[in-house]
Amino acid sequence: ELKVEQNPLFLSMQEGKNYTIYCNYSTTSDRLYWYRQDPGKSLESLFVLLSNGAVKQEGRLMASLDTKARLSTLHITAAVHDLSATYFCAVVHSGGGADGLTFGKGTHLIIQP
Amino acid sequence: DSGVTQTPKHLITATGQRVTLRCSPRSGDLSVYWYQQSLDQGLQFLIQYYNGEERAKGNILERFSAQQFPDLHSELNLSSLELGDSALYFCASSVGLGLLAYGYTFGSGTRLTVV
Repeated sequence: ELKVEQNPLFLSMQEGKNYTIYCNYSTTSDRLYWYRQDPGKSLESLFVLLSNGAVKQEGRLMASLDTKARLSTLHITAAVHDLSATYFCAVVHSGGGADGLTFGKGTHLIIQP
Repeated sequence: DSGVTQTPKHLITATGQRVTLRCSPRSGDLSVYWYQQSLDQGLQFLIQYYNGEERAKGNILERFSAQQFPDLHSELNLSSLELGDSALYFCASSVGLGLLAYGYTFGSGTRLTVV
């Protein structure tokens, strides 16, 4: 059974600081996703990581993937209040054409002025 | 607007009742996925359809069922509802299967409250 673990689950930080969210998964996967969710809203796709060593950046967010370690990171640089949200990583189990996402529990991020 | 349309947005019903949630995928997408988000269980994959056929089942209860119609819209049927079924139900769609499905678009969800 594919398991996805995120940590921390809750993070309160100050504007201007840097921090990293970690996502570990238990079995081989060919795709890893990062999503953002604002309270009561839908899931917004941030990054899709398809291969070992993949690194993607968008603004103050950067995601990376190490398939050998089964680890992805979401790094936040010089945080601003607008980045306050819940961030989920999700993994697709490889093979078979059945590709529902298995999500981590999410990291609830609060960025304080 | 993501292009994935879910109706209704909110639904309040009593225990023991049956409800149907509807999803219209983004134009051109053949795969539809249903997810449940609750405080207890987090985000859970329920079921996947591709071009009208069931492709995968996740943690879907036997009281729940789904189908995808020829026009590709999908319905999720929840019966004998219990208080614990109260959750946000998301539909997502993608173009195909496997690596062709690498982009998933989520709808805005249906918030179900069972009283």
